Amino acid sequence: EVQLVQSGAEVKKPGESLKISCKGSGYRFTNYWIGWVRQMPGKGLEWMGIIYPGDSDTRYSPSFQGQVTISVDKSISTAYLQWSSLKASDIAIYYCARAAGDWYVDLWGRGTLVTVSS
Amino acid sequence: EIVLTQSPGTLSLSPGERATLFCRASQSVSSSYLAWYQQKPGQAPRLLIYGASSRATGIPDRFSGSGSGTDFTLTISRLEPEDFAVYYCQQYGSSPITFGQGTRLDIK
Repeated sequence: EVQLVQSGAEVKKPGESLKISCKGSGYRFTNYWIGWVRQMPGKGLEWMGIIYPGDSDTRYSPSFQGQVTISVDKSISTAYLQWSSLKASDIAIYYCARAAGDWYVDLWGRGTLVTVSS
Repeated sequence: EIVLTQSPGTLSLSPGERATLFCRASQSVSSSYLAWYQQKPGQAPRLLIYGASSRATGIPDRFSGSGSGTDFTLTISRLEPEDFAVYYCQQYGSSPITFGQGTRLDIK
């Protein structure tokens, strides 16, 4: 089955670091881009950035440049989204998303809920 | 950055009716790189339409997309109960990729 499996929900304190993951299976992982999308509580979708596992080419949306880091380990077909210092405003569901060369998303993960609370 | 504005914000219709959702871009979307997604509560979005008018795999033919340049439309010809959800447009022709704010389709 073609799928993206995301890591489980996280509860962190402000200032802590975090790395969430997204594992692709059922397809050639290095042939598709993996994007990350934020959805804050009760809000819409926001594109954060995208990475090509084949060569780690990474593009960030200006709103998220410097705020997060997107990376990939193609040997285990897994992409990552990480924060060095979480804030309360990072509370959201984070979806990973597979995109073909045209960058529309044809496959979504189920999302990872990140909660930040002191 | 291309800003996408969706209208209406909320659309209240009954099953069997026709729904027309709009997405307007602040500048031309190159090569009609415009997609539509459906999101139900507690679920990830699902791709409906890409390339402005191409239906994704498994999407019923009651869903259709049209438009070019700055104005795009998603039409659901006859609403089924499972179609009531939030719909987002996305442009992927210019970096950064952007989404519209969404249209909520409610049961009347």
